[in-house]
Amino acid sequence: KAGVTQTPRYLIKTRGQQVTLSCSPISGHRSVSWYQQTPGQGLQFLFEYFSETQRNKGNFPGRFSGRQFSNSRSEMNVSTLELGDSALYLCASSSSGAQVTAFFGQGTRLTVV
Amino acid sequence: QKEVEQDPGPLSVPEGAIVSLNCTYSNSAFQYFMWYRQYSRKGPELLMYTYSSGNKEDGRFTAQVDKSSKYISLFIRDSQPSDSATYLCAMRGIQGAQKLVFGQGTRLTINP
Repeated sequence: KAGVTQTPRYLIKTRGQQVTLSCSPISGHRSVSWYQQTPGQGLQFLFEYFSETQRNKGNFPGRFSGRQFSNSRSEMNVSTLELGDSALYLCASSSSGAQVTAFFGQGTRLTVV
Repeated sequence: QKEVEQDPGPLSVPEGAIVSLNCTYSNSAFQYFMWYRQYSRKGPELLMYTYSSGNKEDGRFTAQVDKSSKYISLFIRDSQPSDSATYLCAMRGIQGAQKLVFGQGTRLTINP
């Protein structure tokens, strides 16, 4: 069974640009969550999508947005990039909101210069 | 103050030692407690989870939850060099679905 797939693995962007990251969950999983991981703040919850609807949102500015498609694949978008957005962005999938176990992808390493 | 506190280490121990990793938390609503292991340049991998208080054992790993003290632990017996990684505790309530709150992570090195 294929795991959670995130693309691209690495990305370099310039301040002010926007970026879109993609996540394909494990087949059959309907919940996709996004996290930002930095050395200073650790892993922080961005948002969660379930059946194409945003169900939870963390404390991030509106520049961070996401969506989920009917096949459960999800994208997150960051507009007007800042240097502080440099981080590892992780996606996690689970079969439903009630399932405890969430499986993480390998992440997308975003560097903003 | 963060909802979940975890000593970032680093922690270095000899092979074969018993390792103890801990987290404290402040939110009484947390009901599920998880431990993830993260190798360099990889995503977190779920090791174990516990619901409410109690102990859970899986091979060389034992997870303990003391809700009265808001304190959770992960013990690794007969530690191996391959256990060298960053260990993250994570928690969530019953409500709030997959919104996990993580500790900072403890970097562990097992020396041969």
